Parts: sequence; structure tokens; C-alpha cells
Amino acid sequence: AQKITQTQPGMFVQEKEAVTLDCTYDTSDPSYGLFWYKQPSSGEMIFLIYQGSYDQQNATEGRYSLNFQKARKSANLVISASQLGDSAMYFCAMREEDSNYQLIWGAGTKLIIKP
Amino acid sequence: DAMVIQNPRYQVTQFGKPVTLSCSQTLNHNVMYWYQQKSSQAPKLLFHYYDKDFNNEADTPDNFQSRRPNTSFCFLDIRSPGLGDAAMYLCATSRPRDRVTDTQYFGPGTRLTVL
Repeated sequence: AQKITQTQPGMFVQEKEAVTLDCTYDTSDPSYGLFWYKQPSSGEMIFLIYQGSYDQQNATEGRYSLNFQKARKSANLVISASQLGDSAMYFCAMREEDSNYQLIWGAGTKLIIKP
Repeated sequence: DAMVIQNPRYQVTQFGKPVTLSCSQTLNHNVMYWYQQKSSQAPKLLFHYYDKDFNNEADTPDNFQSRRPNTSFCFLDIRSPGLGDAAMYLCATSRPRDRVTDTQYFGPGTRLTVL
């Protein structure tokens, strides 16, 4: 079974609109971390935001926020006021406590911002 | 400012001709990772070093080797590249406080072409 599911292979969004990228996860480990990365066409993987399973509040980093719904096992990334430079591949990833440092990756969502 | 540096950014090699990719970091992180990423896929972990301890993923082909002569540098050696080894190779580093919160920081990647 997929441990990280990103159901949107691709999205088109108008510039300046907010964007929500979906991520659901599956784990029986009570302690885990969730990560979002951005990968532009240049190839570099850029860390955006982190949410811990025990964190009481949703994580925020500038225009990025994480809508963490633990009971639903979802960790959606919200980008406010999208910009052309947000066009990229976005990956959701999870680390479980008993994982020997390995990240479990989703398949990614390709986001294209239209001017 | 560059924190994780990979050289070269683009590498072309011939089928069967050994190739070495390099990664260096200025973050003084004790864990270094090598990933292989094929087009439109999530990265696949090949191996990682925790300090000098080498950890090979079970499905990493023997054709791939790694060296870490010191904290700052890590090398990926592909002994006999095949056409299927053409990919983006990403190096990442982390300084884990614990397994769950450990955030990986990536270099810009090396795009390998095999002729």
C-alpha cells in the first residue's frame, strides 16, 4: 500500500490565487514527520516546510502553510498568493521514527502557474 | 552561500566508462545521502553515511559505490554505467536531532547522460 499519496499529478492555477496541494499518508507509527519539497525544472530539491505528528499547531513558513489533519492523515500544502516562480514539482514526504533516516516520498504534483 | 555543492552539474559518459560524481557541504552535517531520480519520479535513496558509517539500501545495484573521505565530501562512483543509469543524482545532508525531525538539504544535482 502507498504510504504517501499525492492524488493530483498536475495542476494549473492562475497567478495570485491560493493553491492547495493534497497529501495523504499512512502510518501506524505514532511519531512521524511530514515534509514538503519543491523541485523546479533546474532539478534542485528545495525544503519548504515541516510538520511533526505531535505538533499542536499547523506549520507556516512565509507563503507556505501546512493544513495538518491528523485524524484524516492528511498534510496538504497551501501556497497563498501564487507567483510564476511557484511553477515546479512538489513532493510530500514522511519519515517514521523507526525508519533509519529514510524518507518515504509521494509521486509528486506538477504545479503550473498561469499569468 | 551555497551549502550543498555538487560537481559537475552535467556529466556525459559512455556506456561502461566509470564515472565519479562529487558532493561537498559547508553545513558540517554528519549525515550525507545519495539519491537517484529518474524523470517525473520521486527520488530513490541509494545509500547514506552517518558520519563514517555506510548504509546501503537493499536494492542499490553493486554498480554503485560511495566514499566519504571526510565530513565535507562524499563521492558517488558508478563503475560501469548502463543506459538505465541515466538520471539526476541528488546529494543531501542532514544533522539529525532525532529521526523524525531530521530535515534533509539538497544540492543542485548532477544530471548524468550515458551514451
